[in-house]
Amino acid sequence: DGGITQSPKYLFRKEGQNVTLSCEQNLNHDAMYWYRQDPGQGLRLIYYSQIVNDFQKGDIAEGYSVSREKKESFPLTVTSAQKNPTAFYLCASKWQGDGEAFFGQGTRLTVV
Amino acid sequence: ILNVEQSPQSLHVQEGDSTNFTCSFPSSNFYALHWYRWETAKSPEALFVMTLNGDEKKKGRISATLNTKEGYSYLYIKGSQPEDSATYLCAFIKAAGNKLTFGGGTRVLVKP
Repeated sequence: DGGITQSPKYLFRKEGQNVTLSCEQNLNHDAMYWYRQDPGQGLRLIYYSQIVNDFQKGDIAEGYSVSREKKESFPLTVTSAQKNPTAFYLCASKWQGDGEAFFGQGTRLTVV
Repeated sequence: ILNVEQSPQSLHVQEGDSTNFTCSFPSSNFYALHWYRWETAKSPEALFVMTLNGDEKKKGRISATLNTKEGYSYLYIKGSQPEDSATYLCAFIKAAGNKLTFGGGTRVLVKP
């Protein structure tokens, strides 16, 4: 079955630690995205990638880093520089152009 | 940061009633406008991808219109049912790029 897989579903980390969220897709999509959702808010774009080995900052990139070494994978690292990392993180992918986006199940990160 | 706004933030609708809500976006450099439905405990799923001014799309009891010159889109739900309860998200793509920017969403609750 084609789709996007995010892991893990729930993640707990201590303050000051970096943590990497996984996002894998087998839809052969070129573009991939990371969004953050906070309670009562919409999806805010952290980073996106249009092609392998290339990515652009979204609207709230500070404290995050990404890589796109393979077409299928777009991991997100939440660094210790991110001041409020506790949130729900959603990964998406789509073909280039106006095609719809497909989403993973999300990762809920809690930093204590 | 692209300004994509949705109103209202939330909506209570009586079963059987029709309703509509708005997505506004920048009117310049338009490429595409997406609508997604996000049900609790699920991933967002695409409803419509709209690219042409004046476009109208329909899926069952849900339809959408697009005005790219004035920068808005309406989503309509006819004869609301409890299963229509969800958050409806719009997302804007600016020309010459794949940046997918979401609005804050409209949360719809259909009461039996």
